[in-house]
Order: sequence, then structure tokens, then C-alpha cells
Amino acid sequence: GIQVEQSPPDLILQEGANSTLRCNFSDSVNNLQWFHQNPWGQLINLFYIPSGTKQNGRLSATTVATERYSLLYISSSQTTDSGVYFCAVAFDYKLSFGAGTTVTVRA
Amino acid sequence: DVKVTQSSRYLVKRTGEKVFLECVQDMDHENMFWYRQDPGLGLRLIYFSYDVKMKEKGDIPEGYSVSREKKERFSLILESASTNQTSMYLCASSITLEQFFGPGTRLTVL
Repeated sequence: GIQVEQSPPDLILQEGANSTLRCNFSDSVNNLQWFHQNPWGQLINLFYIPSGTKQNGRLSATTVATERYSLLYISSSQTTDSGVYFCAVAFDYKLSFGAGTTVTVRA
Repeated sequence: DVKVTQSSRYLVKRTGEKVFLECVQDMDHENMFWYRQDPGLGLRLIYFSYDVKMKEKGDIPEGYSVSREKKERFSLILESASTNQTSMYLCASSITLEQFFGPGTRLTVL
């Protein structure tokens, strides 16, 4: 299957700081999603972004499919942004997940 | 908004029991999926279904079966639960490639 690497594994931020999470993948994909897993375990959809750039409030994402990476930007971080962020990719429906980036935002 | 629901948030079962995990989606999605999530191993696909009565094995189907008799409902079955099936189980559905997840069921097998 497709290999997915996320970095950094852990990130500690002061409230108000900006950050960038990275996702590298090993093969061509038609499907790339970013999720936030909340403390209760639910995966919340952030972006469906197999290519290009999207923005949603303080979050934005960019995928450069030809270079096989995607970036998730968090601006003006808040304590509610804490949690694990997953990147998942697939050529079709079989998503392969990265190990996640654990983000802790301190007040 | 897409809504995917799972029958239980927490479940405790004994070794050897037959266990049913239910997932229901309300958006007429064609595709449904079952994953498990374990510390250090991440999320792994168990089974998926692209239509009623159709199923395909994912990466770790051993010890599991599935049932999809109606479009909105996808069941994961542990025929004889074992302690190594203690895990977080997540259901998802999609109509395009984008998948939407339910809240998860945390299963403990004693």
C-alpha cells in the first residue's frame, strides 16, 4: 500500500501561534484527506484535498500532488485545536493513514 | 451534514462471545467502511462495501465478517471475540472518494 509519513510527531504551541503540519506519501493519489481526532475519538473532516489549496477559517491546506506532499496550516491556534491530526491518502477508496501529529495548544 | 452513527460508544464483551457492531448513515451513501485504531499501529481497514450485499476485504479481515443487507446499515461481526480484538472501531461512509466517520466504538474483550 501507499506509505504515509507525517511530521512532526508532536507539536506544542502557545495559544495564538501559527504552525505547519506535513504529510509525505509514496505514490500517486486521487484521494487525500486531513482529519482532526477529538478527545472522544471521533475523526472530524477538515479537508478533502487531492490537489490544490483550500481554506476554512483559521485552517488551510495545500497539496502538491506531483511532489507527493500536503501541508496543513493552523493560524492563531486556540486550545480547542488540540488533538491528533491525521493525513490519509488513497488511489481509490482504501485510505492509508499516517501516524498522526499530536498538537497541544497551551493557554 | 453527513451523519454516521454507531450503535455503542463503549462495549465490554467476554472472550468467545459473538459481537455485532452496527453502523448507520443517513446520506444514501454507496460505500461504507470499517476500520480499527490501535496505539502504535494507527488506523487499518478491516472491510468495506460498495453496494448492498457486496463486500471486500481490507488489510486485516481475519477474525471479522460483515453484513450489508440495507444501503444505510453496515455491520461488523466478531464471530468469537478474542482479547486481541480489543480496540477502537470506526465506521465511515462515502459517495465520492471523501469518507465521513462515525463517533467510534471502544470495544474491550475480557
